[in-house]
This record gives sequence, structure tokens and C-alpha cells, in this order.
Amino acid sequence: DTEVTQTPKHLVMGMTNKKSLKCEQHMGHRAMYWYKQKAKKPPELMFVYSYEKLSINESVPSRFSPECPNSSLLNLHLHALQPEDSALYLCASSQGGGTGGYEQYFGPGTRLTVT
Amino acid sequence: KQEVTQIPAALSVPEGENLVLNCSFTDSAIYNLQWFRQDPGKGLTSLLLIQSSQREQTSGRLNASLDKSSGRSTLYIAASQPGDSATYLCAVRPGSARQLTFGSGTQLTVLP
Repeated sequence: DTEVTQTPKHLVMGMTNKKSLKCEQHMGHRAMYWYKQKAKKPPELMFVYSYEKLSINESVPSRFSPECPNSSLLNLHLHALQPEDSALYLCASSQGGGTGGYEQYFGPGTRLTVT
Repeated sequence: KQEVTQIPAALSVPEGENLVLNCSFTDSAIYNLQWFRQDPGKGLTSLLLIQSSQREQTSGRLNASLDKSSGRSTLYIAASQPGDSATYLCAVRPGSARQLTFGSGTQLTVLP
């Protein structure tokens, strides 16, 4: 099974709301990633978790808060977002701890709209 | 800083044609290169991963080649089908502990 699942598929939230995105994989991967993708642009790396610890934060604003409760689950908590944060949020996972050059597997994404 | 370029940005071909998508990168010291496919509004599907020591990888109608010295990779699609219509992204890993650097993609349309 090479599947990464993400919920919800679509999310509309106001700028004062608090919401969370969820990502799950059952491939035994020990690295999990959050990417942000704007229309017609490549994905931009936001966070990397390695063995359930945050290893990379690409200077992401604090209104995005990642969490890795266990090796299979990755959350992205959202608070006080801006309209420019509207994008497709992609989760990915890979073997190892984010090193070793392993293949990354992506989920289907959550389409986020901030109103 | 590694930069990855994909040209053309968009390509339209008739069904059945063999085609080549190009990816170039500025720093030849890469660990590996990965080709992805993305359908509109969807996630990325990994197509092929080429390690720096390899020259090519094949999967079905797809063949990816890597020439590190010239900083280039190509994705060859044989006998294209309308279902191949998607955006194709290449991504380079500069080192084993480094993260992927993506190109901007080539949007492919295969006309029936």
C-alpha cells in the first residue's frame, strides 16, 4: 500500500477560524512533509518531520502549526489565516528520516480557501 | 543554489505521438531526481526516481534519462494517450540529507 490520505479534501474557513488538516500513512515511513502549492506553481516545502520530531521549518508563519502525534499521522493546525494562504496543501511521506534520498509519496491534497 | 527549469511550460500533441519532456538543473552535484505527474487540483504521483549513479529508469511507456554532467534529464513518453494529459514535474535532490527542489512543470495535453 503506497497511499497517503488527507482530510478534508476541501476546506473553507474565515480569517478568525481555527481548523486542522490531517494526513495519514501506513507504509511505515518515518519522514512526513507538508507542502503548500499555489495555482500553476510547484510545491513549496513548509515542514519536515523526521522520526516524529520537527526537523525542518522553512520559515513558515506561526499561524501554521504542525504536529506529529505518531509515526503514521501528521496534522497542520491553522489559525488566523490570511486570504493569501489559500492554496492546495499537500502531505508527503518517505522512508528513512527524510534523508537517504528515498522516494516521496504524496497525498491528494486539501484545497484550502480563506475568506 | 540549485535551480530547476522545465521547458516548454506547455505542450500539446496528437494522440499516439512519442514525446520528450525536458528538465535542466544548474548544479550537477545531485543525489537523485524524481519525476512526478499531477492532475488538476490533485496530489503528485511519483513516476520514476533516478539515482545519481543511474543513467535511466523505465516504467511501462515511460523512460527517464539522467545526464548529470550536462545537468539534464528527459522524460520520454511513448505512444501518448489522452489519459497522459497532466502536468509533469521534475524534482532534484541536491544531497541525501537535502530536500527536493522542484521545476515549474510542463503541462501536457494529448489530443484525441
